[in-house]
Amino acid sequence: GEDVEQSLFLSVREGDSSVINCTYTDSSSTYLYWYKQEPGAGLQLLTYIFSNMDMKQDQRLTVLLNKKDKHLSLRIADTQTGDSAIYFCAEKGMASGTYKYIFGTGTRLKVLA
Amino acid sequence: EADIYQTPRYLVIGTGKKITLECSQTMGHDKMYWYQQDPGMELHLIHYSYGVNSTEKGDLSSESTVSRIRTEHFPLTLESARPSHTSQYLCASSERGNQPQHFGDGTRLSIL
Repeated sequence: GEDVEQSLFLSVREGDSSVINCTYTDSSSTYLYWYKQEPGAGLQLLTYIFSNMDMKQDQRLTVLLNKKDKHLSLRIADTQTGDSAIYFCAEKGMASGTYKYIFGTGTRLKVLA
Repeated sequence: EADIYQTPRYLVIGTGKKITLECSQTMGHDKMYWYQQDPGMELHLIHYSYGVNSTEKGDLSSESTVSRIRTEHFPLTLESARPSHTSQYLCASSERGNQPQHFGDGTRLSIL
């Protein structure tokens, strides 16, 4: 079935850039999403990209999409301690049906002061 | 900012009690979802709804039930809570098509 994979952990120093990677299997993916989850909270939508785009930038966030390799990345510039959280990649495409969003297992970003 | 609300935020209750977790959204979204998530772990879809009077079970088998009598309201009920139901429950909604889901803050449920 459809799958979304992420590495489990990432540690960076404050002020550096963070790059969180995600791969997916559904070649019919239409939208891909990035969410942030802080401890004890729900998922906060950060940004999303339509599959006909290669890149999307929103302030400190840059999303890169490589459709050929089915690879999505989220770059956070000038990472701050407040960026420490779990980041989930998700996709929605034809293979997953009309109702289903496929989530990765999340990448735990730790920002060191 | 998305307007989707879950109550209560935290609930600690004894085994055998009936529980209803509330979820409301003010965005007029047709689609609503319930996920179960152990802290910091992956999300598991347990119920979803396309609209009023439409409910379906998700991928993870759950002893809970849901109802959708009004567009804005999607409550989840456990008839008899058990310790295995201890988890975080997240409600989400989305517009039609592939628009992103918007999540509530979740209910953290502990069954003693």
